[in-house]
Amino acid sequence: DADVTQTPRNRITKTGKRIMLECSQTKGHDRMYWYRQDPGLGLRLIYYSFDVKDINKGEISDGYSVSRQAQAKFSLSLESAIPNQTALYFCATSTAANTGELFFGEGSRLTVL
Amino acid sequence: QKEVEQDPGPLSVPEGAIVSLNCTYSNSAFQYFMWYRQYSRKGPELLMYTYSSGNKEDGRFTAQVDKSSKYISLFIRDSQPSDSATYLCAMNYNTDKLIFGTGTRLQVFP
Repeated sequence: DADVTQTPRNRITKTGKRIMLECSQTKGHDRMYWYRQDPGLGLRLIYYSFDVKDINKGEISDGYSVSRQAQAKFSLSLESAIPNQTALYFCATSTAANTGELFFGEGSRLTVL
Repeated sequence: QKEVEQDPGPLSVPEGAIVSLNCTYSNSAFQYFMWYRQYSRKGPELLMYTYSSGNKEDGRFTAQVDKSSKYISLFIRDSQPSDSATYLCAMNYNTDKLIFGTGTRLQVFP
């Protein structure tokens, strides 16, 4: 089984719908991240959390919210999805001693029509 | 101007070739430099990590950092078809978050 698991792997939805992407990890890491990846724009940080009570906005948090339900679980929500949120979303984890090594899930491809 | 610039490619080379992948950056405060490899339909995985200037070698891979020129490189010797992937540079100056390049797609043909 993967150390960082994302669900769903693929989702097609309509404009205005609420969407939740879920991430769970078995690595025992405190730090968790949500990124989106777009062609030509690379990976951009949406939100990150250093522990259950610590949530921080990243570079592009508008239109997104997150919930850290437990050390191992970090969910990303789109309250009212819009087409320009069509992207590949990645969850990642790291240890507290951040050497820059992030452990990524396999991604969730979201299409908003 | 983006903080990190990376040529998107694609770069297509024959098996056995030496590959050079590069990134430039604008923020002189960056101290930690990384290369991630991303196979199709997979998440990125850390390939090489370098602190400050200098070279680091790991098997067929060499990471090079030139802070005076704000330029980092990844060299792949004896490239293999299994090296076909997108390579992302990344860097940071504190422990919070990385800045990624857009990635260079590499294809190594037999």
